[in-house]
Amino acid sequence: KQEVTQIPAALSVPEGENLVLNCSFTDSAIYNLQWFRQDPGKGLTSLLLIQSSQREQTSGRLNASLDKSSGRSTLYIAASQPGDSATYLCAAAGNQFYFGTGTSLTVIP
Amino acid sequence: DAGITQSPRHKVTETGTPVTLRCHQTENHRYMYWYRQDPGHGLRLIHYSYGVKDTDKGEVSDGYSVSRSKTEDFLLTLESATSSQTSVYFCAISESTEISNQPQHFGDGTRLSIL
Repeated sequence: KQEVTQIPAALSVPEGENLVLNCSFTDSAIYNLQWFRQDPGKGLTSLLLIQSSQREQTSGRLNASLDKSSGRSTLYIAASQPGDSATYLCAAAGNQFYFGTGTSLTVIP
Repeated sequence: DAGITQSPRHKVTETGTPVTLRCHQTENHRYMYWYRQDPGHGLRLIHYSYGVKDTDKGEVSDGYSVSRSKTEDFLLTLESATSSQTSVYFCAISESTEISNQPQHFGDGTRLSIL
């Protein structure tokens, strides 16, 4: 069974700082890895999807990387803003989607 | 945003009563999923469907049943609700897990409280 882990569980940074969120998975046989954002009381919003054949994907200030051989993905957020405060989840897609428990990010103005 | 509607959005009910949650999509996606989200556990898959009348169990399927009679609707039923089923329930859709550029999209969730 795929196990997905996200460390740290919570992160607090000052505005403007660059930061990295980590996601690790135990089974490298995945089709893709997806990063989501969840605001309190809301559903999940898809941020980036990295195909298994890709190394990284970028959207604006977000960059996600994937290293299947080591079972790791990272989400890089450049020049963080208070509006980036949310919980970030990763999900590995095999025969099903397996989710990590998320990293709660707080960006302090 | 992907056209996914969950109903009801909030529900309070009593132990032992039946409860049905509905997920409706307008995207004509093949796969539909029901998850529950609890503190410390993240999202856990309850059941999923890969086509009309085609469903399979997920990680935490005990106490839940599902039905999909139309492509657009996926129902989750708690036959006799228990307090341990108090949770936030999310519906998701995807074209396929194997089509690697197809993301998964989520509804806004149903907050279910069982007293």
